[in-house]
Amino acid sequence: KQEVTQIPAALSVPEGENLVLNCSFTDSAIYNLQWFRQDPGKGLTSLLLIQSSQREQTSGRLNASLDKSSGRSTLYIAASQPGDSATYLCAVRPGETSGSRLTFGEGTQLTVNP
Amino acid sequence: NAGVMQNPRHLVRRRGQEARLRCSPMKGHSHVYWYRQLPEEGLKFMVYLQKENIIDESGMPKERFSAEFPKEGPSILRIQQVVRGDSAAYFCASSQIGLQPQHFGDGTRLSIL
Repeated sequence: KQEVTQIPAALSVPEGENLVLNCSFTDSAIYNLQWFRQDPGKGLTSLLLIQSSQREQTSGRLNASLDKSSGRSTLYIAASQPGDSATYLCAVRPGETSGSRLTFGEGTQLTVNP
Repeated sequence: NAGVMQNPRHLVRRRGQEARLRCSPMKGHSHVYWYRQLPEEGLKFMVYLQKENIIDESGMPKERFSAEFPKEGPSILRIQQVVRGDSAAYFCASSQIGLQPQHFGDGTRLSIL
């Protein structure tokens, strides 16, 4: 059974700091991994999706890496801003023949202080 | 191009009542997924449907919960005889085909009095 863990559970940083969020998963047979952002009372916004054959994806100030063999992914946020404050969720999709459900971590709650 | 639409956004029910949550997938999407987020927890998969078929319901409680995705109209998640523990945010996602990225709605927040 796939389990996804995110560390830390909460993080508070001053504006401008670079930061790293961590995600680990127990079964390396994944199809892809996705990072989402969730604002309070809102739905999920997809940030980055990394296919199992890829090592990293970048979008603006965000960079996500994937090390499938070790079951780890990191989300790097450069020059953090107060608007980055949200909960960040990591989710993995199982291998191609194993269905389409996403397994989520419990998230990292990020606060960026002005 | 409208995204995944869920309604209602907030739903309040008394214990023992029924709750019906609706999800209209993105245009052209025929795969729908329901997830539940309990307070202070991550999202947990409940059920995966294609038009008129349940593909995977392994995450859905065996009793009181049911889901459908008819040929016409939205997908419905139905909870009968609700209890306090059903209070959660219920999210729907859709995709064009099974392995395409899932797009999420804003969720329905269910509160049980």
